[in-house]
Amino acid sequence: DAKTTQPNSMESNEEEPVHLPCNHSTISGTDYIHWYRQLPSQGPEYVIHGLTSNVNNRMASLAIAEDRKSSTLILHRATLRDAAVYYCILTTNAGGTSYGKLTFGQGTILTVHP
Amino acid sequence: DGGITQSPKYLFRKEGQNVTLSCEQNLNHDAMYWYRQDPGQGLRLIYYSQIVNDFQKGDIAEGYSVSREKKESFPLTVTSAQKNPTAFYLCASSPTSGNNEQFFGPGTRLTVL
Repeated sequence: DAKTTQPNSMESNEEEPVHLPCNHSTISGTDYIHWYRQLPSQGPEYVIHGLTSNVNNRMASLAIAEDRKSSTLILHRATLRDAAVYYCILTTNAGGTSYGKLTFGQGTILTVHP
Repeated sequence: DGGITQSPKYLFRKEGQNVTLSCEQNLNHDAMYWYRQDPGQGLRLIYYSQIVNDFQKGDIAEGYSVSREKKESFPLTVTSAQKNPTAFYLCASSPTSGNNEQFFGPGTRLTVL
């Protein structure tokens, strides 16, 4: 499976933008980039995903580098409720079968200061 | 409300006992998944099912078994063969398998004494 690399932790102040980076230098042409986040003792929550173009939704934006070897999750105005572990995940189509396997790394722990 | 339910939230068992974790969804999703999470780690895939009466092993299936007799339900049995069963277990579902958003349940924290 293609692997992702994220910083272990990041900090932000409330109401400021946050840019969470992810490197995926071995990404293949058919891999999608997904972001999930997880609050303590809860299940992960989908944030956003994309393939080649930048994506926006109500939660965040996803900026994908032109060579697709890296991406950045952008939270436009961080709130205390955004404090979580953020996972950058590639979903791989292997041999024509695609079953939505999510391979979670250790993610980035985001701390938001009031 | 549509969603995924897992019960119970906390479960304690003695070593050597089999235990079954419940996962139910009313989202009409075809695909369902079981993950395990250990402290400070990411999730690891145990089993997944793309359709009723069919399921496949994930990365760490040893010591676990599943069934998918109904679309809504995907119970996971942790058998006595699982060497380190104490963990946080998460169930998820998606409309189809593939590059779709997965919806996660609240999880069951299993402690084997």
